[in-house]
Order: sequence, then structure tokens, then C-alpha cells
Amino acid sequence: ILNVEQSPQSLHVQEGDSTNFTCSFPSSNFYALHWYRWETAKSPEALFVMTLNGDEKKKGRISATLNTKEGYSYLYIKGSQPEDSATYLCAFHAGNMLTFGGGTRLMVKP
Amino acid sequence: KAGVTQTPRYLIKTRGQQVTLSCSPISGHRSVSWYQQTPGQGLQFLFEYFSETQRNKGNFPGRFSGRQFSNSRSEMNVSTLELGDSALYLCASSLTNQGALNEQFFGPGTRLTVL
Repeated sequence: ILNVEQSPQSLHVQEGDSTNFTCSFPSSNFYALHWYRWETAKSPEALFVMTLNGDEKKKGRISATLNTKEGYSYLYIKGSQPEDSATYLCAFHAGNMLTFGGGTRLMVKP
Repeated sequence: KAGVTQTPRYLIKTRGQQVTLSCSPISGHRSVSWYQQTPGQGLQFLFEYFSETQRNKGNFPGRFSGRQFSNSRSEMNVSTLELGDSALYLCASSLTNQGALNEQFFGPGTRLTVL
């Protein structure tokens, strides 16, 4: 059973704060690392699919980095807005299926 | 382009019954994956279908089964329902069989309650 850990489990920040969370995954049999954003009452939505060590991806105020050798990825949100409130999930792909972490629940207060 | 659709959205069953859930992927997507989401276990992979063939299966008992049709629509079936099967069942489609490289597009889910 693959172990994909996310920290922190939850995070409360003020509007305008920048924040980051961590996803840890096995450093062997790496194929890809996915990040998804899941808002309440909606479907999970893909943010990034990362495949190469050292990869950095950016979408608006959200960016992610990847270190496959040590088995971690960081997701950064710059200048958090209330609409960023959601659960952020990472998922590790070892060639056969996606294994999801438990998620980081972000709440941004106006 | 229409998104992934799942039917029904909500379902209540009793222990011992069986249930069939349906998923229609985005047009042109040939891979469909199913996931179970429970508060305690998070999002867990059930199985993936591509071109009507099950390619991968997660760690679930044989009571959980699925199939995919030639139009890429997929169904999953759970027989002899148990209380612990109460969960949100999500289906996701992706473009090709390069599962690792393709983002998954998720449907709204079916909320199953077993009484």
C-alpha cells in the first residue's frame, strides 16, 4: 500500500496571505504527481500534472514544485482569496493507478 | 463540451441489496476510473477501464465490479451491500490510456447510503 501524506490537514488564513502545503510520496516507481482542487459541492478539478524532477508549474496565483528524488511536492498560493477555499489533493501515480493523499483543507477568511 | 455525468446522484439502499451506478465520460475520452470517497479513508481507487477492458483494480473485495461499453460509458456494481459501502462514488475520465500523464476529469459523484 503506497503512502501519500499531505500536511497540514487544514489551514485557516486571512485574505491576502500567501500559503503553502506539502505532499509526500514514495520516491520509487514514480510516474507522475497530480494536484487537484476540490471545492465543497463541486467535483475535483485538476490543477497540475507533474512528471519531471525539478518541475515547476504555475496557474495564476497557484504554483507547484516537484522533487521526485526525496519524494515531495509543494503547492503555493500567493495572495489567498476567499474563492481559494477548498480541499487540495495530491495524487501519486506509480504506473497503475492514482493514490490520493488525505488532502489539505484551506479556508480563507475575508 | 459536456462534462462527466453520473447517475443517479443520490441513492439509498438497504444491507444485502445490490446497486448499479452509471458514468458517462467526456466525449472522446476513452479511459474511465472509479473512486470511493469516505470520511475515514479519503479518495480510494476502485478500478480503471479503457476500451472496454479493466486495466487496473484497487484493493476492494470482489463485490465491487464494473464494466465499460463500446461508447466508453461505464457502470459499477456493488453486490450484497454493507453499511461500510456508504460513500461518495466518483467517476473520472481521461483522454487516453496514459493514465499517469493525463489529468482526470471528475463527475459530480453518486452519494450512496446503505441502511
